[in-house]
Amino acid sequence: QSALTQPASVSGSPGQSITISCTGSSSDIGAYDHVSWYQHFPGKAPKLIIYDVNYWPSGISNHFSGSKSGNTASLTISGLRAEDEADYYCSSYAGSDTYVFGTGTKVTVL
Amino acid sequence: EVQLVESGGAVVQPGGSLRISCAASGFSFDDYMMHWVRQRPGKGLEWVSLINWDGGYKVYADSVRGRFTISRDNGRNSLYLQMNSLTTADTAVYFCGRRRGGKNFLDYWGQGTLVTVSP
Repeated sequence: QSALTQPASVSGSPGQSITISCTGSSSDIGAYDHVSWYQHFPGKAPKLIIYDVNYWPSGISNHFSGSKSGNTASLTISGLRAEDEADYYCSSYAGSDTYVFGTGTKVTVL
Repeated sequence: EVQLVESGGAVVQPGGSLRISCAASGFSFDDYMMHWVRQRPGKGLEWVSLINWDGGYKVYADSVRGRFTISRDNGRNSLYLQMNSLTTADTAVYFCGRRRGGKNFLDYWGQGTLVTVSP
């Protein structure tokens, strides 16, 4: 149950697109199309923004998008906005009803 | 409106025990499996445990198996985590989360409760 690897920080200017990678293994990301992404403002409840690699929950803007290739998943934020500045975590199903989360990425809007 | 509110976090000595709670409202609690997830200071999220609808099926992360026990009281719409033999490595904010029916993600989370293990 090793944590998924994410870059510690990613930054971009308003309007730009940024991509956050999430690298796992053949036992988690590579084995299942059950990658989800969460937005977290410290002190608040984490919020689901992408599930099953590339699906949006109701009410989530489509300027978030997800993808997966092999053992790596990615979250792209298009048209970066000031309110997107937060911590982002990926997660993958890892079999036998266990889950693994990423190390987290702090997104800074310049 | 779905709400999950954790409580019971405290400062505990190493080797001690603590039970934290999660009060659920705004949905039919006994229709959903529930998770506990934690975040150590300055670290990422870590999945801790999962319980099914009636409490008869429980799964734990290796790091807590044998020390932590997840449970629920559907009559009280509450989820619990009993933590024993606590170590400093268990210091974290503990979040409860709802598992979308039959799906492998958490669709709603609480704001967390802080557990500090310190001499």
